[in-house]
Amino acid sequence: GQQVMQIPQYQHVQEGEDFTTYCNSSTTLSNIQWYKQRPGGHPVFLIQLVKSGEVKKQKRLTFQFGEAKKNSSLHITATQTTDVGTYFCAPNAGNMLTFGGGTRLMVKP
Amino acid sequence: SAVISQKPSRDICQRGTSLTIQCQVDSQVTMMFWYRQQPGQSLTLIATANQGSEATYESGFVIDKFPISRPNLTFSTLTVSNMSPEDSSIYLCSVSDGVYNEQFFGPGTRLTVL
Repeated sequence: GQQVMQIPQYQHVQEGEDFTTYCNSSTTLSNIQWYKQRPGGHPVFLIQLVKSGEVKKQKRLTFQFGEAKKNSSLHITATQTTDVGTYFCAPNAGNMLTFGGGTRLMVKP
Repeated sequence: SAVISQKPSRDICQRGTSLTIQCQVDSQVTMMFWYRQQPGQSLTLIATANQGSEATYESGFVIDKFPISRPNLTFSTLTVSNMSPEDSSIYLCSVSDGVYNEQFFGPGTRLTVL
């Protein structure tokens, strides 16, 4: 499968601060999906990016796909305690996902 | 979106025994997957469960250790055979469905092997 590296591995932020996680691939990706896993829960689909340079927003979350389709990012504006969890990027090839290592977000109230 | 249930939700097993995990979906789906997630780690795909044929295993996973059944389009089982403490993990099933072929996950089975 397509390998992706995610950074950072962990991030502690104060509530209200912004947060960004990055996903990098050495090869061109056809698309990429993002998932969120709350502590003790299972991964939940957030979004899929397909087009070069694509930007999608979901309320305080902004997702970007790089121009070369080799990297992607998720940015959360003004984090809240409900944002706590692990965020995974996952290239989707033939309905098969390869999960990145994930970024665990912790938010101090 | 598909709703998935798994049984058991957790179990504690003795070394050398086997455990079968069940995954039930509320609708017919073509593709079902089994993942392993060790504590604090990412998800690793074990195999794709194919209806009517043998499962397709990923590198590092073999049928003798992780036999899978898929008798119909709504149900699958994963057996963890001859368990050792290294098999302690969360096992998740998922299905590929929806507009983006996104995956929907079951709640997971937390396995502890003593």
